[in-house]
Amino acid sequence: QKEVEQNSGPLSVPEGAIASLNCTYSDRVSQSFFWYRQYSGKSPELIMSIYSNGDKEDGRFTAQLNKASQYVSLLIRDSQPSDSATYLCAATPNTNAGKSTFGDGTTLTVKP
Amino acid sequence: DGGITQSPKYLFRKEGQNVTLSCEQNLNHDAMYWYRQDPGQGLRLIYYSQIVNDFQKGDIAEGYSVSREKKESFPLTVTSAQKNPTAFYLCASRTTGTINNEQFFGPGTRLTVL
Repeated sequence: QKEVEQNSGPLSVPEGAIASLNCTYSDRVSQSFFWYRQYSGKSPELIMSIYSNGDKEDGRFTAQLNKASQYVSLLIRDSQPSDSATYLCAATPNTNAGKSTFGDGTTLTVKP
Repeated sequence: DGGITQSPKYLFRKEGQNVTLSCEQNLNHDAMYWYRQDPGQGLRLIYYSQIVNDFQKGDIAEGYSVSREKKESFPLTVTSAQKNPTAFYLCASRTTGTINNEQFFGPGTRLTVL
């Protein structure tokens, strides 16, 4: 079992819909969680971070964390074609090394 | 502008050659990381450094070497011992000592073996 697993994808949603991306992690030491967006051929860009149980909203993005279930999700409301990208989930322990473990990513396509 | 720079953007290597990828940051971050990304895959950690003159192996360090002589710089050498080096290489950095341990990435170097 991989340490961080994401929906295998690809995920396709129509423009204006809600896209739901899921991530589970196996290491209970993980305390910090991040979602990165990666456009084809580009480097990952941080879009959300979440540290405590519950929801965190930033514009059209909502991250949800449930440490008991070891589950993290990212919701994208009012999806736009510009949201089409691969989304990477990362889990990080709160140690000084801060080594993040990344999932393989879920590719999202938003169709106009 | 604060940020992370990587050079070159594209790099071609012949069999048996060593090549060095540059990574520089002016964010005053203590920790720096090197990842490798293969098509359709996530990121795999090669090496990381939390402080100048110290670094640790990641999950796939064989065939790679690094140095950390300055806080701002963390170059990666891909040696001839790395048998399948064609990949996208990403450098990242973060601050330490807080819970906000987000990593920020440079633009990447795409290495191709000829």
